[in-house]
Amino acid sequence: NAGVTQTPKFRILKIGQSMTLQCTQDMNHNYMYWYRQDPGMGLKLIYYSVGAGITDKGEVPNGYNVSRSTTEDFPLRLELAAPSQTSVYFCASRASGSGTGELFFGEGSRLTVL
Amino acid sequence: LAKTTQPISMDSYEGQEVNITCSHNNIATNDYITWYQQFPSQGPRFIIQGYKTKVTNEVASLFIPADRKSSTLSLPRVSLSDTAVYYCLVGGYNQGGKLIFGQGTELSVKP
Repeated sequence: NAGVTQTPKFRILKIGQSMTLQCTQDMNHNYMYWYRQDPGMGLKLIYYSVGAGITDKGEVPNGYNVSRSTTEDFPLRLELAAPSQTSVYFCASRASGSGTGELFFGEGSRLTVL
Repeated sequence: LAKTTQPISMDSYEGQEVNITCSHNNIATNDYITWYQQFPSQGPRFIIQGYKTKVTNEVASLFIPADRKSSTLSLPRVSLSDTAVYYCLVGGYNQGGKLIFGQGTELSVKP
C-alpha cells in the first residue's frame, strides 16, 4: 500500500495564479483532511470530508475549495493565490470507527506564493 | 470541540523519562485522546490513543485520570531521535469527523 500520496511536493506560484494540490489514499478510508502548517506553527484544518460527496469547512477555509467525488481522492484547489497561502500542506486520512482512529498523513506539499 | 492545552516546549536529556501533559477540560463522553509526533518537514505520526486509565505500547504510555480532563504522554528513556513536536488530539463521534490540533509541545533532547 502506498498510503496517502500528495502531489506536487514543491510548487512556486505567482500571486493570482490558481492550482490544485492532489491527494490520493489507497486504504479505503472514509475520512480525509487537509491541513496547512506555517513555519514554526501547528497544523490548521482547512477542509475535511467524511465520505464521497460530503465536505465541510475547517478552521481556515477561506481561499480554498475541495471536492470529494471518490473515496480515494480529495483535491484541494487554491484560487487566486496570495502570499499568505505560502505554507506546507498536509493531506491525511483515517478509517471510520470509534474514537478518532489513526490519522495517516502524506509527505506534504510545500507551496510558495511570490 | 474539546480545546487542548500543552506546554509550548520542554527540554530533557538522553536516557531520561519525559512526561508531557495535555489539558482538555471540556472533553466529551465519546472523545478519545490521541498523541502524534512530528519531525521537521514530515507529516505527524501516530504514537498512541486511549480513552481512560492507562495504555502502553512499544514506544510510549498514556495515562488518563478518572475525570479525563487531562492526559500524560510518557516517553521512557528518550534519545536524541525523540526530539520532535508532540501533539495531543481529542475527538470522537460527536465532532462529526472534525479534528483540530492544538499548538503542540516542542521536545528537545540533549546529549
